[in-house]
Amino acid sequence: DVKVTQSSRYLVKRTGEKVFLECVQDMDHENMFWYRQDPGLGLRLIYFSYDVKMKEKGDIPEGYSVSREKKERFSLILESASTNQTSMYLCASRTGGVETQYFGPGTRLLVL
Amino acid sequence: AQSVTQPDIHITVSEGASLELRCNYSYGATPYLFWYVQSPGQGLQLLLKYFSGDTLVQGIKGFEAEFKRSQSSFNLRKPSVHWSDAAEYFCAVNGGATNKLIFGTGTLLAVQP
Repeated sequence: DVKVTQSSRYLVKRTGEKVFLECVQDMDHENMFWYRQDPGLGLRLIYFSYDVKMKEKGDIPEGYSVSREKKERFSLILESASTNQTSMYLCASRTGGVETQYFGPGTRLLVL
Repeated sequence: AQSVTQPDIHITVSEGASLELRCNYSYGATPYLFWYVQSPGQGLQLLLKYFSGDTLVQGIKGFEAEFKRSQSSFNLRKPSVHWSDAAEYFCAVNGGATNKLIFGTGTLLAVQP
């Protein structure tokens, strides 16, 4: 089975802190994704990566950056956390193309 | 632009009753369609997907969905709902040059005993 893990299930940070969310997949998938999920808005794509060291902006990249130094790991960085970044963050991976995306359990981030 | 509409925000059904969750999409070419389920506090799990071929697709947990091109719909069905089916359900379409998934806003299903 594909396994996508995220470093934290719950995280509490203060405004202005730098926040790192880590995602690791164990299936040698080329593509990885970061979404945020908010009630009534569904899932919105923040950034995605087609391969190592490659990244592309999604629909809501403002306030976020990403890093993919190794194929299995995709990090989401909040350079200076703000209260409007309080949300559920979901990571996903897939082999490529139109194949199924597999999701991690999510990180619920609270920014105070 | 591609989009997905799930017109029902909340649905409540009785245990043992049938279920249909609606999904409409907007996409010019043949879409690749997915249904995911999210249990409380969890990530998303794939229920089923449609790429091509038979328009009635079977998924896990007794779910099925039917692709109707003429109605731009991909509705999810289950003949008899179990209490464990209470969750949020997301429809998604994949397409375009970047092959990104576009999600609907979700339907929250409650199951009454």
